[in-house]
Amino acid sequence: QVHLQESGPGLVKPSETLSLTCTVSGGSVSSYYWSWIRQSPGKGLEWIGYTYHGGNTNYNPSLESRVTVSVDTSMNQFSLKMTSVTPADTAVYYCAAGTSLLFDSWGQGTLVTVSS
Amino acid sequence: SYVLTQPPSVSVAPGQTARVTCGGNNIGSRSVHWYQQKPGQAPVLVVYDDTNRPSGIPERFSASNSGNTATLTISGVEAGDEADYHCQVWDSSSDQAVFGGGTKLTVL
Repeated sequence: QVHLQESGPGLVKPSETLSLTCTVSGGSVSSYYWSWIRQSPGKGLEWIGYTYHGGNTNYNPSLESRVTVSVDTSMNQFSLKMTSVTPADTAVYYCAAGTSLLFDSWGQGTLVTVSS
Repeated sequence: SYVLTQPPSVSVAPGQTARVTCGGNNIGSRSVHWYQQKPGQAPVLVVYDDTNRPSGIPERFSASNSGNTATLTISGVEAGDEADYHCQVWDSSSDQAVFGGGTKLTVL
């Protein structure tokens, strides 16, 4: 089973860009599907998007205009960039691995707060 | 997009059977996956493709899916089963993963 670890700033100012990285061990980012999922405080889970097959992507239509998921095969990492953030983007962000349909390994999650 | 509806909470005494439902239009035609999320932790997959358990998940966890309701059943509930449970499907019409709102299981 793969191990995933999120990293990135815990505080982002409104209107700026949120950037997170997920480091993968025990598996190659050239295989499987690599997702970002978030959970706002006290709320349910929201799928953001995924990258697969070394660079293809698919996004949640509600976030697609602001989100980019990319992969760095040399570092065995994948990343999330979300532009023009607002306080509504405050959440715990998880990276996850799986198939195109489900998520069978998750990182521990990282809290990102959007505030000035 | 497709909507999954879960009850906010379910309570059960230790040793009893807990049932967590997940409602959706003709959900029986879709593959449903269930995740357990303990406080302060990441979700863990406990059932996939309606009825299958990943390795390491106790047999006490089972599930079914028919019509407009999928159900996660936990038999012989233990204190350690207290957690939020989330159902999830892939919505091919909008090409995205969809989660239910989550159900908090309380062990009395």
